Amino acid sequence: KAGVTQTPRYLIKTRGQQVTLSCSPISGHRSVSWYQQTPGQGLQFLFEYFSETQRNKGNFPGRFSGRQFSNSRSEMNVSTLELGDSALYLCASSYNRGPTGEQFFGPGTRLTVL
Amino acid sequence: TQLLEQSPQFLSIQEGENLTVYCNSSSVFSSLQWYRQEPGEGPVLLVTVVTGGEVKKLKRLTFQFGDARKDSSLHITAAQPGDTGLYLCAGEDTNAGKSTFGDGTTLTVKP
Repeated sequence: KAGVTQTPRYLIKTRGQQVTLSCSPISGHRSVSWYQQTPGQGLQFLFEYFSETQRNKGNFPGRFSGRQFSNSRSEMNVSTLELGDSALYLCASSYNRGPTGEQFFGPGTRLTVL
Repeated sequence: TQLLEQSPQFLSIQEGENLTVYCNSSSVFSSLQWYRQEPGEGPVLLVTVVTGGEVKKLKRLTFQFGDARKDSSLHITAAQPGDTGLYLCAGEDTNAGKSTFGDGTTLTVKP
């Protein structure tokens, strides 16, 4: 079974631009969560989508948004990029979030904002 | 907001030594996961513990969930250079439907 894939792997943008990142979950998985990872803040939860609906959201500004398609693939968008948005963005999939909380992560997209 | 504190933050040891990493919280979790992450890659799930007091073994790695389901430990016996990486614990809050991650322990095992 193929793992979680994320594209692109690396991205360089300048302040004020916007960016769209893509995530394809493991086949059959319906839940997709997004995380931001930085050296100073660790892994921070952005949002979770399940069956095309945002089910949970972390404490990030409205510049961060996402969506999920009928095939469970997900995209996240960051508008008006700031220097502080430079981070590794991770996507994780699971069949359905439940008590065990198990998630399977993709390799991430390394975003650098100049 | 649930918080998970991991200690130590950094650990550098020689091959063959034993070590323990701790993950502590004042909150109760329905389950707790341990992940290992290598540079440039996403975290890889090592184990999930669900029951208070549960102990799981994965080769040289032993994971324990506290009786009150607020803390956990990871013990590595006879560490090897291949164990080098960032170890993350994550607590699952079923009511909130999300995981809270610790800040991680960076382990370096020198040959």
